[in-house]
Amino acid sequence: DVKVTQSSRYLVKRTGEKVFLECVQDMDHENMFWYRQDPGLGLRLIYFSYDVKMKEKGDIPEGYSVSREKKERFSLILESASTNQTSMYLCASSFRGGGPLPLHFGNGTRLTVT
Amino acid sequence: AQSVTQPDIHITVSEGASLELRCNYSYGATPYLFWYVQSPGQGLQLLLKYFSGDTLVQGIKGFEAEFKRSQSSFNLRKPSVHWSDAAEYFCAVAIDNYGQNFVFGPGTRLSVLP
Repeated sequence: DVKVTQSSRYLVKRTGEKVFLECVQDMDHENMFWYRQDPGLGLRLIYFSYDVKMKEKGDIPEGYSVSREKKERFSLILESASTNQTSMYLCASSFRGGGPLPLHFGNGTRLTVT
Repeated sequence: AQSVTQPDIHITVSEGASLELRCNYSYGATPYLFWYVQSPGQGLQLLLKYFSGDTLVQGIKGFEAEFKRSQSSFNLRKPSVHWSDAAEYFCAVAIDNYGQNFVFGPGTRLSVLP
């Protein structure tokens, strides 16, 4: 069974702090994604990566960066956290190719910025 | 622009009653469609998907969905709801063939009365 693990379930950070959200998958998936989930807005893509060291901006990349140094790990970085980045963050992964294969999600990290 | 709408923000049904959750999409080409479920405090889990072929697809937990091209719809159904089905349900469409670009609906929250 595919496992996508997000290192923290809950995080509380102060405005201006640098925040790292970590995600690890164990199924050798090429694609990895970071989504932000807000009530009434569904999931919005922040960044995705289709290979090591490769990244593509999603719909809402402002204020975020990502890092993928190893295939199984995809990190989301908030360079200077702000209160409007308080949200649920979901990591997902999938195989690449052969059509759009389903995403496998982690359990999410609920980030509060005060 | 591609979009997914779920007209019902919140639905309440009694345990044992039937359920239909609506999903409409806006996408020019043949869509790849998905339904995901998110239980409280969890990530999203795939319920079912439609790529081609039979327009009625079966999923896990007794769910099914019907693709209607003429109505641009992909409604989710279950004949008899269980209390454990209380969750949030998301419809999604993949808008590329590489599984790197998904559009999610805003979600429908399902409450189940005993």
